[in-house]
Amino acid sequence: GAGVSQSPSNKVTEKGKDVELRCDPISGHTALYWYRQSLGQGLEFLIYFQGNSAPDKSGLPSDRFSAERTGGSVSTLTIQRTQQEDSAVYLCASSLGSATAYNEQFFGPGTRLTVL
Amino acid sequence: AQRVTQPEKLLSVFKGAPVELKCNYSYSGSPELFWYVQYSRQRLQLLLRHISRESIKGFTADLNKGETSFHLKKPFAQEEDSAMYYCALSDDYKLSFGAGTTVTVRA
Repeated sequence: GAGVSQSPSNKVTEKGKDVELRCDPISGHTALYWYRQSLGQGLEFLIYFQGNSAPDKSGLPSDRFSAERTGGSVSTLTIQRTQQEDSAVYLCASSLGSATAYNEQFFGPGTRLTVL
Repeated sequence: AQRVTQPEKLLSVFKGAPVELKCNYSYSGSPELFWYVQYSRQRLQLLLRHISRESIKGFTADLNKGETSFHLKKPFAQEEDSAMYYCALSDDYKLSFGAGTTVTVRA
């Protein structure tokens, strides 16, 4: 079956503009995660959705960042008033359940965001 | 709070030579540790997890709680092992990643 998909693959925007990044998880996966991969800084957890539970937003770097997950499937990460430091690769992952040692997270190809 | 440290940003070895990628962690509990790999132009993918005690593509990693380490090893590196490797620690559902090590295997 298809893996996690993300769109767009690349996004170039001007400072101050809003952007929306989309993630389609693997069908049947109840858990969905967003990470940010910055140059030289590894991957940083942003937000986690599990079923109908309230999301864990503890990794969002500022209130300019928000995310939704509609119908327990597709998720959208929105960044308002983008800044140059938001430039990074945004990765989405999904898993069958909560990430325990036995619940592998499957990653999408990422969206490369460049803020000019 | 948990933290994962990968001290080497770059690692270059010759084909057939052993390779070891270092990973140290700090965690107040029983850690669940993973190695993820990202080959050129491919997605990030799970390589192995400590709880499975498995060997994948010739790689092994042993959890050493005394030294709080989870180093990744392979006795004979191959050119196809050239990739970015991330050590990760799971805290319930979040994965905390190290900064990653880029491995280049030279012919």
